[in-house]
Amino acid sequence: AQSVTQLGSHVSVSEGALVLLRCNYSSSVPPYLFWYVQYPNQGLQLLLKYTSAATLVKGINGFEAEFKKSETSFHLTKPSAHMSDAAEYFCAVSPYGGATNKLIFGTGTLLAVQP
Amino acid sequence: NAGVTQTPKFQVLKTGQSMTLQCAQDMNHEYMSWYRQDPGMGLRLIHYSVGAGITDQGEVPNGYNVSRSTTEDFPLRLLSAAPSQTSVYFCASSTSGTSGYNEQFFGPGTRLTVL
Repeated sequence: AQSVTQLGSHVSVSEGALVLLRCNYSSSVPPYLFWYVQYPNQGLQLLLKYTSAATLVKGINGFEAEFKKSETSFHLTKPSAHMSDAAEYFCAVSPYGGATNKLIFGTGTLLAVQP
Repeated sequence: NAGVTQTPKFQVLKTGQSMTLQCAQDMNHEYMSWYRQDPGMGLRLIHYSVGAGITDQGEVPNGYNVSRSTTEDFPLRLLSAAPSQTSVYFCASSTSGTSGYNEQFFGPGTRLTVL
């Protein structure tokens, strides 16, 4: 069985500050891991993905995430927040080597960026 | 390519009414799925299909019906709407396969309110 835990349903940062959104996973098999972003009243857009290649994954809009097997974590970071980063972010997992169509999502983290 | 399209964008129903949420994709993807998004719960898989004529249940299938008569379309039916089905519904599609990564593409969502 697989699951994802996102710590912090709401995160607020100042513009220019570091963004850190936390995601821990549980999986009985090596996982694929994803971060999706959802802007207000829009669908989900893939930010980045871990598919067992490099453990440090770079995505769009300056975001990156590091897969740490020992910590079962896949935290999302961005060095300097921009107002346009305000959105809801979802971490998701699916089994490596299996169908990646069945995504299991975390409960989401709403990021607010203060001027 | 239009990608994944969903209609309607908004819908209000009365308890007991039925309706069909439409989803179509023009990418010739074998795999299609329906998720519902509720505050604090992330996205949960309702039903999915790995090809025309083949459907299966996800995590929260009760109260929903699906069929897949063509590769392009995957409608979601609510036979007797209940207030608990008030949610935002997302359709997604991807190529199918058990080896490698298959990115899911999401539609813009349908916001459903059941009174």
